[in-house]
Amino acid sequence: GAVVSQHPSWVICKSGTSVKIECRSLDFQATTMFWYRQFPKQSLMLMATSNEGSKATYEQGVEKDKFLINHASLTLSTLTVTSAHPEDSSFYICSARGLAGALRNEQFFGPGTRLTVL
Amino acid sequence: QKEVEQNSGPLSVPEGAIASLNCTYSDRGSQSFFWYRQYSGKSPELIMFIYSNGDKEDGRFTAQLNKASQYVSLLIRDSQPSDSATYLCAVNSGAGNEKLTFGTGTRLTIIP
Repeated sequence: GAVVSQHPSWVICKSGTSVKIECRSLDFQATTMFWYRQFPKQSLMLMATSNEGSKATYEQGVEKDKFLINHASLTLSTLTVTSAHPEDSSFYICSARGLAGALRNEQFFGPGTRLTVL
Repeated sequence: QKEVEQNSGPLSVPEGAIASLNCTYSDRGSQSFFWYRQYSGKSPELIMFIYSNGDKEDGRFTAQLNKASQYVSLLIRDSQPSDSATYLCAVNSGAGNEKLTFGTGTRLTIIP
């Protein structure tokens, strides 16, 4: 149980294009989803926290107009990197937190999406 | 600034020995502590979490928490080559704050 999927697993795009990444909780309902970014040999940096039905809360230094987050249902959150540039190339990882009990105590991570912007 | 610090390593341990990973945190109000393992190119996977002072054992893994000294450690007994990975320490401050703050990770290599 507690499986989180991401799609796509990798994407290569041209500079200036937009890329959408989906994060789904497959077997549980996630009240909160988190989006992280990880550059090579660095740790996970939280970009934003999203709660179903409300606006995402972005971390300091993360541009909300560039990284659009939608959390329209309890099982799906999307991250859209708008007008992507080479410096946005990174490993994007989502995690989800459940409604209650053990599912609420930890974050379950998706497999990640590797974005390469040419 | 809430910080979580780990020695980046690399830490090399002979197969079968005990690997000891350490983590310190700055927020004295932190309540939940997590150890994740991350293989290269993969996302983190949870190994253990600990909330209370003392030791918590799960198979070959033991997490140790000392809130007074603000450190948490992970011991891996009978280290195996498959344990070679980066180990991330993460801290949650609780009090309704759902965010995890991650350390930079310690790269562990088990030498056959």
